[in-house]
Amino acid sequence: QSALTQPRSVSGSPGQSVTISCTGTSSDVGGYDYVSWFQQYPGKTPKLIIYDVSERPSGVPDRFSGSKSGNTASLTISGLQAEDEADYHCCSYGGRHNHYVFGTGTSVSVL
Amino acid sequence: EVQLVESGGGLVQPGGSLKVSCSASGFSFRSYEMNWFRQAPGKGLEWVAYISNSASSIYYADSVMGRFTVSRDNAKDSLFLQMNSLRGEDTAVYYCGRDLYSYGYTPGYWGQGTLVTVSS
Repeated sequence: QSALTQPRSVSGSPGQSVTISCTGTSSDVGGYDYVSWFQQYPGKTPKLIIYDVSERPSGVPDRFSGSKSGNTASLTISGLQAEDEADYHCCSYGGRHNHYVFGTGTSVSVL
Repeated sequence: EVQLVESGGGLVQPGGSLKVSCSASGFSFRSYEMNWFRQAPGKGLEWVAYISNSASSIYYADSVMGRFTVSRDNAKDSLFLQMNSLRGEDTAVYYCGRDLYSYGYTPGYWGQGTLVTVSS
């Protein structure tokens, strides 16, 4: 049960776009279209921002978008804003016995 | 409104036991599969355990297999995690979670978490 691989940190200036990768295997990311992304501020509960690879829950700005190619999923934040500075975690369904697999987490900094 | 409220966390010595609970409201608890997740200080999220709506299917992460037991009481809208033989690496905030929909696989709703600290 290995964690999905994410970059430790990414940064960008306000208004720029940043992309966070999430690399797994054919047993998780590559095998199912059940990739989700969470935003988490320090000391707070994770908040769902993308599900089923590219769907946004109600209330999540369309600056957040998701995609997948093979065993790698990606989260793109367009028009970066100061409030986007947070940790981001990807998650994939991993089959019945390895139900959910999470990424290593990425810290996004707004310069 | 979906609400999940964890309780029961605290300080426990290595080798000890602790039972954390999750009280659910705002939805038909008996209709949903549930999960426990955890996050160690400064670390990423980790799935811990899954239980189907009728408790007929239960799965655990390798890291807790044989030490943790998940259960539920659908009559009381409650989820439980019994943790035995606790180790320092079990120190974490424990969250209960409900999938976004009754179909699909997205941990859409989370509680506020309860902190479990394993230390002598």
